[in-house]
Amino acid sequence: AQTVTQSQPEMSVQEAETVTLSCTYDTSESDYYLFWYKQPPSRQMILVIRQEAYKQQNATENRFSVNFQKAAKSFSLKISDSQLGDAAMYFCAVLIDGFFGNEKLTFGTGTRLTIIP
Amino acid sequence: GAGVSQSPSNKVTEKGKDVELRCDPISGHTALYWYRQRLGQGLEFLIYFQGNSAPDKSGLPSDRFSAERTGESVSTLTIQRTQQEDSAVYLCASSLVGGTGEDSPLHFGNGTRLTVT
Repeated sequence: AQTVTQSQPEMSVQEAETVTLSCTYDTSESDYYLFWYKQPPSRQMILVIRQEAYKQQNATENRFSVNFQKAAKSFSLKISDSQLGDAAMYFCAVLIDGFFGNEKLTFGTGTRLTIIP
Repeated sequence: GAGVSQSPSNKVTEKGKDVELRCDPISGHTALYWYRQRLGQGLEFLIYFQGNSAPDKSGLPSDRFSAERTGESVSTLTIQRTQQEDSAVYLCASSLVGGTGEDSPLHFGNGTRLTVT
C-alpha cells in the first residue's frame, strides 16, 4: 500500500510572498499520478495541480508549481505571490494505476495554510 | 452549470439512528465516488459507482454502511445504527468517465458533516 506524508500541519505566509508545502510519498509502483488539492472552508475539494510520474518536467498552473523529485519521492507545492484566497487546507494525493475508483487514491493529512495580510 | 450537490449540509443524529446522505452528481457524469474525511485527516475512499454499478465496495468500513445509485444519477449513502466514530464529513465526487483525471477530473461536492451524539 502507498502512504502520503505531509509533515507540516500548519504554515503561514505573508501576502504576496512565496510559500512551499512539502509532501513525501511511498509506493513501489513506477507509474502513478500526483495531485495537490485545496479545501477552503466550504469543504469542497478543488484540484490545484496534477503531475504524471513519467514526466520529468515539473507541472505549473499560474502561480502554482511543483518540485517533483521522483527518486526522493517528494512532491512539494510552491505558491508564488500568495493571495488571501489561497488560505485553505492543502492535500497531497497519489493515484496508482490511474484509476480513481478504488483505494489506490491516497491522501495525506493536509497542511493548513494561513495568509497574513 | 451546476456542480455536485450534497444534502444535507449538516446532520446531527443520535447514536443508533440511521442516516441517509444524498449526492447529486453533475449531469452526464457516469462515475461517482464517496469519501469520508475524519477531523484532521485526509480523504478515505468508501465506494465507487460506474453507472449504477459499484465495482469496488472495498472501502466501506462495515456492513452498517451501504450505498446505491439510480438512474445513473443520484446516489444515497446510508449508515445504519450510527456510532460516534461515524462522525465525519462525507464527500461525494463525480467525473465524466472515471480515470486519471486528465480528461475527466474529479468534481467534489461540499460534503455532509455528520455528527453522531
